[in-house]
Amino acid sequence: DAGVIQSPRHEVTEMGQEVTLRCKPISGHNSLFWYRQTMMRGLELLIYFNNNVPIDDSGMPEDRFSAKMPNASFSTLKIQPSEPRDSAVYFCASTFWGNEQYFGPGTRLTVT
Amino acid sequence: GDSVTQMEGPVTLSEEAFLTINCTYTATGYPSLFWYVQYPGEGLQLLLKATKADDKGSNKGFEATYRKETTSFHLEKGSVQVSDSAVYFCAFYNQGGKLIFGQGTELSVKP
Repeated sequence: DAGVIQSPRHEVTEMGQEVTLRCKPISGHNSLFWYRQTMMRGLELLIYFNNNVPIDDSGMPEDRFSAKMPNASFSTLKIQPSEPRDSAVYFCASTFWGNEQYFGPGTRLTVT
Repeated sequence: GDSVTQMEGPVTLSEEAFLTINCTYTATGYPSLFWYVQYPGEGLQLLLKATKADDKGSNKGFEATYRKETTSFHLEKGSVQVSDSAVYFCAFYNQGGKLIFGQGTELSVKP
């Protein structure tokens, strides 16, 4: 299995631009999680899905952030408009019914 | 509320030294406990887990025992290597299905 796939691996954008991060979970997994990691705040859970349905989005920082999971093999995290304080590494992880979470390699976002 | 407390880092050790990273948790019930490791520039990966009280998880020379009485899950390794340099996270699933992480402990092993 290829593991969790995230794209792009690096993204540099200017403040105000729209950013879309993509994730392909491991085939057969039914839960997907989006995390953000910064030096200041550590690892934060933004949102998670079970069977493509958002279960808890209380970690989404603002309305500028949105996430979708149109099917079991694809999810997006969108930031519109982006701001410098959104600069972080964004991880996607997937699991099957509360077992070990498998993390992707992350997307390093820099907003200038 | 649900939480995990880890010893603060960075922890700096010489190669072949003994390692302990403390982890205590506050949870409802008796959840499975996990240690994840994050190597530089990579995502987190599971290092070991324990599913019930007194279970010992082990992998790559690392061990941790689920202690219900002290709500602890301390990570140990008898002889660390430079390649063990990473950030280590203790975690458990809460009843809402979220994986609750500690703040992470950075380990640096010097040759």
